[in-house]
Amino acid sequence: AQSVTQPDIHITVSEGASLELRCNYSYGATPYLFWYVQSPGQGLQLLLKYFSGDTLVQGIKGFEAEFKRSQSSFNLRKPSVHWSDAAEYFCAVGEGTYKYIFGTGTRLKVLA
Amino acid sequence: NAGVTQTPKFQVLKTGQSMTLQCAQDMNHNSMYWYRQDPGMGLRLIYYSASEGTTDKGEVPNGYNVSRLNKREFSLRLESAAPSQTSVYFCASSVPNNEQFFGPGTRLTVL
Repeated sequence: AQSVTQPDIHITVSEGASLELRCNYSYGATPYLFWYVQSPGQGLQLLLKYFSGDTLVQGIKGFEAEFKRSQSSFNLRKPSVHWSDAAEYFCAVGEGTYKYIFGTGTRLKVLA
Repeated sequence: NAGVTQTPKFQVLKTGQSMTLQCAQDMNHNSMYWYRQDPGMGLRLIYYSASEGTTDKGEVPNGYNVSRLNKREFSLRLESAAPSQTSVYFCASSVPNNEQFFGPGTRLTVL
């Protein structure tokens, strides 16, 4: 069965520090990969997506992610975190045409 | 352009009561989805509708029914609510093989 693993349940970083959130997936074919962000009490918003081509993708709010096929990973990065980035982050993989598998999420706390 | 809307935002039910969660999208998407979100479990797919007139079970369909009323609307019904259905419910829509757009969620408590 396909799966998405986000090994870090909680991450705490200081404002201005760099950030990397990990995501590993299990999928036989070339996956469609997504990162979403969820602020408290809100729905999920797309940060970025990878379908094919350049393995380093840029997203909104200064986020980027790198697809590494050899490691089955799609890690999310940001060079300098802002207090407003505190939220929960979800990695997801498209399974077939209509279904998506979500990771269990990583909750980010930002220290002032 | 409202995107994906959900009603109600909050609901408290007693065990055994029924209710319908409403979802509508104005992006002309063919596919619509219902998820539930529980702490530490991410989003789990309840049902989805690949296109108008079709619905399919997801990972956790037991205790739920859905209706794809038209291209815009996709409702989720709890016939006899149970405390295990206390959760936050999200509706989403998409075009195939692309990103999903999510509604703001319905927070449901079953006593």
